[in-house]
Amino acid sequence: GAGVSQTPSNKVTEKGKYVELRCDPISGHTALYWYRQSLGQGPEFLIYFQGTGAADDSGLPNDRFFAVRPEGSVSTLKIQRTERGDSAMYLCASSLGGGVQETQYFGPGTRLLVL
Amino acid sequence: AQTVTQSQPEMSVQEAETVTLSCTYDTSESDYYLFWYKQPPSRQMILVIRQEAYKQQNATENRFSVNFQKAAKSFSLKISDSQLGDAAMYFCAYRSAGSQGNLIFGKGTKLSVKP
Repeated sequence: GAGVSQTPSNKVTEKGKYVELRCDPISGHTALYWYRQSLGQGPEFLIYFQGTGAADDSGLPNDRFFAVRPEGSVSTLKIQRTERGDSAMYLCASSLGGGVQETQYFGPGTRLLVL
Repeated sequence: AQTVTQSQPEMSVQEAETVTLSCTYDTSESDYYLFWYKQPPSRQMILVIRQEAYKQQNATENRFSVNFQKAAKSFSLKISDSQLGDAAMYFCAYRSAGSQGNLIFGKGTKLSVKP
C-alpha cells in the first residue's frame, strides 16, 4: 500500500506569512507524529495525534505553531507569522496504534524555507 | 530528560567491509526502546533495527546488528558486508516505554561507502 505522503515537497515563503503543511498517513494508522529537522540535526518531536486528538503537543515551540487532524486521517501543520528560524524539513510519521514498540513510518518531508 | 549522542558526524567504509556506528544515551528509566533509522539522500527515513531494553540478546536484521550495553548506555550499529546502497545518514533514537511515543533522535552519522 501507499506510504506516508506529504505536500508540498518544498515551500518557500516570506517572513510573516502563514503556511500549511499537509500529511497523509498510511491508511488505518491511528497514530500520527510531526517532527522538525533542522540542517545538520536529528528530527525533533513537535506533536503526536492519537485519532483526532492531540495526545502530546509538548514539542510545539510556541503558539505560532498549530496542528489539526479533524477526521483522524490527514493532518495539517499550520505556522503563523513565519520567521526565518522556522526554515527546516518538517517530517510526518504514522504508526498503526501508537504503541511504544511500534514502527513509525516516515514521509518524505516538506522542506520549508522562510526568506 | 533523555538525550541521545552520536559522536561520529561522518564515517567511511570500503564496500564489502564492516563498519560500526556509535550511539550513547542518557536516561534514568529502566524500560525503553532503541532504534536505528536510515535516511538516504532525498529519501524517506526508514527503520533499520530495533532493540527492547529488557531483552539482553542483541537484535539482528540480516547484515545489520547492534551491540546493546545497557549498563554503559551504549547502542552501536554494526553493518557487515557494506553495500553502496548503505550510504546514508544514520540516526539513533530513544523511546520511553512510558511515553506517548515520540522518538528522541541523535544528530546523526553520515556514512559513505567507497567502491
